[in-house]
Amino acid sequence: QSVLTQPPSASGTPGQRVTISCSGSSSNIGSNYVYWYQQLPGTAPKLLIYRNNQRPSGVPDRFSGSKSGTSASLAISGLRSEDEADYYCAAWDDSLSGPPVVFGGGTKLTVL
Amino acid sequence: QVQLVQSGAEVKKPGASVKVSCKASGYTFTSYGISWVRQAPGQGLEWMGWISAYNGNTNYAQKLQGRVTMTTDTSTSTAYMELRSLRSDDTAVYYCARGGVVPAAQFDYWGQGTLVTVSS
Repeated sequence: QSVLTQPPSASGTPGQRVTISCSGSSSNIGSNYVYWYQQLPGTAPKLLIYRNNQRPSGVPDRFSGSKSGTSASLAISGLRSEDEADYYCAAWDDSLSGPPVVFGGGTKLTVL
Repeated sequence: QVQLVQSGAEVKKPGASVKVSCKASGYTFTSYGISWVRQAPGQGLEWMGWISAYNGNTNYAQKLQGRVTMTTDTSTSTAYMELRSLRSDDTAVYYCARGGVVPAAQFDYWGQGTLVTVSS
């Protein structure tokens, strides 16, 4: 059971726009930055979005992040076959009941 | 370019210990921290802890307290993660990732991963 809640799967056709949600609480998303990671099959995760909506150098502007209250979203526009991957959200958690860094359970994106 | 290169796969028996290394290059090692994240087969990501490469301060996940030790060797820009009293549910790919000078959820570079298999 992950602290941050993501849908286990999402799908879209090439060129479509898809969004992946990440739900948390006041101790994590509600009071800290959200990060998004992309994990292509058989590879290490890669930082996709930092500080809610910032893209590292080299990440296409097709990827965008947003946050509102205790939820965050990752949007991918102009979907491409190479976007097929697992996506994870992450945040710092201020509560002392669990680890200070929490991840969502991951969303497997399928490009149909 | 920033690189984190990890040691090779390990097979261990229950109760044993494993020590995974992560050699950094392409940046000033002591200006950042290193976090360790693991991923059990077919599962999601789990943060294990963080170490400052500047002063050796650590922050471990509570569930691993007492079994995990993270260290650094600044002379070789290498971080280490040792996990003791291994159990079958410790079987996972272990990643090192570059983080900040304080523990946070931002990891901008990752190692290639080290598969640790715990089996009798």
